[in-house]
Amino acid sequence: NAGVTQTPKFRVLKTGQSMTLLCAQDMNHEYMYWYRQDPGMGLRLIHYSVGEGTTAKGEVPDGYNVSRLKKQNFLLGLESAAPSQTSVYFCASSPRAWGTIQETQYFGPGTRLLVL
Amino acid sequence: QKEVEQDPGPLSVPEGAIVSLNCTYSNSAFQYFMWYRQYSRKGPELLMYTYSSGNKEDGRFTAQVDKSSKYISLFIRDSQPSDSATYLCAMKTGFQKLVFGTGTRLLVSP
Repeated sequence: NAGVTQTPKFRVLKTGQSMTLLCAQDMNHEYMYWYRQDPGMGLRLIHYSVGEGTTAKGEVPDGYNVSRLKKQNFLLGLESAAPSQTSVYFCASSPRAWGTIQETQYFGPGTRLLVL
Repeated sequence: QKEVEQDPGPLSVPEGAIVSLNCTYSNSAFQYFMWYRQYSRKGPELLMYTYSSGNKEDGRFTAQVDKSSKYISLFIRDSQPSDSATYLCAMKTGFQKLVFGTGTRLLVSP
């Protein structure tokens, strides 16, 4: 099993450009998450999904959109990139078992995004 | 004030030392407590998971939760250079999302 994979690994954008980050998991997990990690801020939840076709806002959703058309994929879009969106983006997935060890989140390797 | 506070470090120790990593939190409703390890340029991976108060041991690692003081700890015995990483605490209530600390960077020198 590859676990959670993210594409691309690194990207440079100019302000105003758009892009999509792809997350894929092969563990048949129900839940998927997008986080951003910034120095001194820790991991902050952007959006999450509790199943195919569903999405919900997290702590810092502004400027991002997501889609979960297939259970194994979770896409994060930036419609008009801003320098404040320079960050490391992590995708995670977890099984459908709230409040137990089975709810452990498994993280991907991250995507480093630089917005100039 | 952040819900979860964690000293960013870096914490530098010699190989073989006992390491103590800590987090404090303000939300008394947190019930599930986790420690993630994150190597440089990698995603976090779950290290320890505890429910409510008490201790949990796994090899060289011990997780401790003191709900009365809103304080959790991770102890690493016989630390190794391969333990050098950033350690993130995370916690949640029953049906809410994980709240992460900012991470403590640990450096274990040979």
